[in-house]
Amino acid sequence: GNSVTQMEGPVTLSEEAFLTINCTYTATGYPSLFWYVQYPGEGLQLLLKATKADDKGSNKGFEATYRKETTSFHLEKGSVQVSDSAVYFCALPLFYGGSQGNLIFGKGTKLSVKP
Amino acid sequence: EAGVAQSPRYKIIEKRQSVAFWCNPISGHATLYWYQQILGQGPKLLIQFQNNGVVDDSQLPKDRFSAERLKGVDSTLKIQPAKLEDSAVYLCASRQTGTTDTQYFGPGTRLTVL
Repeated sequence: GNSVTQMEGPVTLSEEAFLTINCTYTATGYPSLFWYVQYPGEGLQLLLKATKADDKGSNKGFEATYRKETTSFHLEKGSVQVSDSAVYFCALPLFYGGSQGNLIFGKGTKLSVKP
Repeated sequence: EAGVAQSPRYKIIEKRQSVAFWCNPISGHATLYWYQQILGQGPKLLIQFQNNGVVDDSQLPKDRFSAERLKGVDSTLKIQPAKLEDSAVYLCASRQTGTTDTQYFGPGTRLTVL
């Protein structure tokens, strides 16, 4: 099956700093790639996704580009806010093709943004 | 549109006791997932349902965990007997088959086994 490796945290930044969270994957074919976010005490929410190579997913100022040549899907934001403090998970389907089933997740990166 | 509902939100039990969690997916979502999230790790799939049938339960510890979705809507996950290592957040997610590959998660149930 596919696999994902995510930069481990925690990451502490000051407000308005630039954020990068690295994510690399091993996959058969070209599955969709996802970033999910988990705010304290809540379930996971889809942050953004990309469905094919060179696609850029974006939401709430966050971006990630599906790079097949480097098998990466790094999450970036130009200017973080305190409200972005959360745990971020990179994810992809366990198996390529057919109906999407089991997602596999990275270990998560905890981001803390200080005012 | 209502999201995925789960209850209870928190549960504390002693080892060897039994516990059950409930999930109500988003209306019309045929696919339902149960994940286990141990502290500091990403969620791991326990079981996937399509309507009332099991699609994947390969990672479900069947000697102590069971799950059902009898009418193809809400679902229950049971642990009997619980072990210390079952302490985790149990997340339910649902997906609208065929139109999107996005899973929508509930808030989770935090289980502490003492």
